[in-house]
Amino acid sequence: DAGVIQSPRHEVTEMGQEVTLRCKPISGHDYLFWYRQTMMRGLELLIYFNNNVPIDDSGMPEDRFSAKMPNASFSTLKIQPSEPRDSAVYFCASSPGTGDGYTFGSGTRLTVV
Amino acid sequence: AQSVTQPDIHITVSEGASLELRCNYSYGATPYLFWYVQSPGQGLQLLLKYFSGDTLVQGIKGFEAEFKRSQSSFNLRKPSVHWSDAAEYFCAVGPSGTYKYIFGTGTRLKVLA
Repeated sequence: DAGVIQSPRHEVTEMGQEVTLRCKPISGHDYLFWYRQTMMRGLELLIYFNNNVPIDDSGMPEDRFSAKMPNASFSTLKIQPSEPRDSAVYFCASSPGTGDGYTFGSGTRLTVV
Repeated sequence: AQSVTQPDIHITVSEGASLELRCNYSYGATPYLFWYVQSPGQGLQLLLKYFSGDTLVQGIKGFEAEFKRSQSSFNLRKPSVHWSDAAEYFCAVGPSGTYKYIFGTGTRLKVLA
């Protein structure tokens, strides 16, 4: 398996623009997670899905953030409009089940100028 | 509230020396415990996990960790460090049966040749 695949690897955008981050989880993994990593706040869980259904989105910082999982092999995290404070590395991870730990993607480094 | 603490922000060891990275958690019951490693520009990779059974767990890359309930600790160890072990290491904790994992702030390991 190719692992968890995220795109793009790097994204630079201007404040106010819409940003869409993409993730393909490992086939057969029923859980998908979106994390954000910053120097100040470390790793933060934004949202996670089970069988394509959002289970907990309490970590989504604002209404500007939204996430979807239209099928078992694809998820998106959208920020609209983007702000400089959204600059971070966004990770997608997937897992086959409780207690198995995650497999992380390589992340998307987002810079909002 | 549950929490996880990695007291050492940076650790420097010589190649071939032994290593111990500390992780302390605060949680009422025995949680799920994990150690991950992150190389620069990469996602996090699972090294090992614990949620029951033998308190000494073996992981990949020659790492092991010991769960000590009385000390609320889950320290990571390696008997002989290699230069390729230089990376950032994260401890994570979460209640069994859920995915509300909290990550520590990480310990950055530097290995001297």
